[in-house]
Amino acid sequence: SAVISQKPSRDICQRGTSLTIQCQVDSQVTMMFWYRQQPGQSLTLIATANQGSEATYESGFVIDKFPISRPNLTFSTLTVSNMSPEDSSIYLCSARDRVGSGELFFGEGSRLTVL
Amino acid sequence: AQRVTQPEKLLSVFKGAPVELKCNYSYSGSPELFWYVQYSRQRLQLLLRHISRESIKGFTADLNKGETSFHLKKPFAQEEDSAMYYCALTLNDYKLSFGAGTTVTVRA
Repeated sequence: SAVISQKPSRDICQRGTSLTIQCQVDSQVTMMFWYRQQPGQSLTLIATANQGSEATYESGFVIDKFPISRPNLTFSTLTVSNMSPEDSSIYLCSARDRVGSGELFFGEGSRLTVL
Repeated sequence: AQRVTQPEKLLSVFKGAPVELKCNYSYSGSPELFWYVQYSRQRLQLLLRHISRESIKGFTADLNKGETSFHLKKPFAQEEDSAMYYCALTLNDYKLSFGAGTTVTVRA
């Protein structure tokens, strides 16, 4: 299994600012992902964080708005840039412990409120 | 395109009654399906996956390829089963696509 720690767990941000969320996994994992969970909605995949290369973004998400880093197999960051109230959401880091049918583990989430 | 459909947003049952959470999927490849659960103030966690064909906390789910369904069932609901349940489908490139979720409330 993999234990995922995220920080901050919550934050209140001003419109126009940017915030970086950190994700640390306690073991080396093949794949890391970032999800968004808007109020009352399901999880939407933002991107796959690729180790040592640019992240792979899903439709509707772009690197300028959500830059992602993954310098090694246990750490990733997601930045929410130039925030607006519509970015208020829970952002979840997740990791899969092996390629294929491995279980997807989740962090506790980072709840962002943009004023 | 919507790949996983959970038609019930809310489900309320009495303790000891059977509970069934519906999940339908649309996917042209070989599906790999999961149920995830989120209890109050806890992180999202795996409940069960179709390939293991096991029962977890009394829950079972059978993949029905003909009906493209993966419904979650428990014959006797308990109060501790109150939670948010998500059906999820693995796509070709190992990403998970989640349904909208069903909030289950088990009443005493």
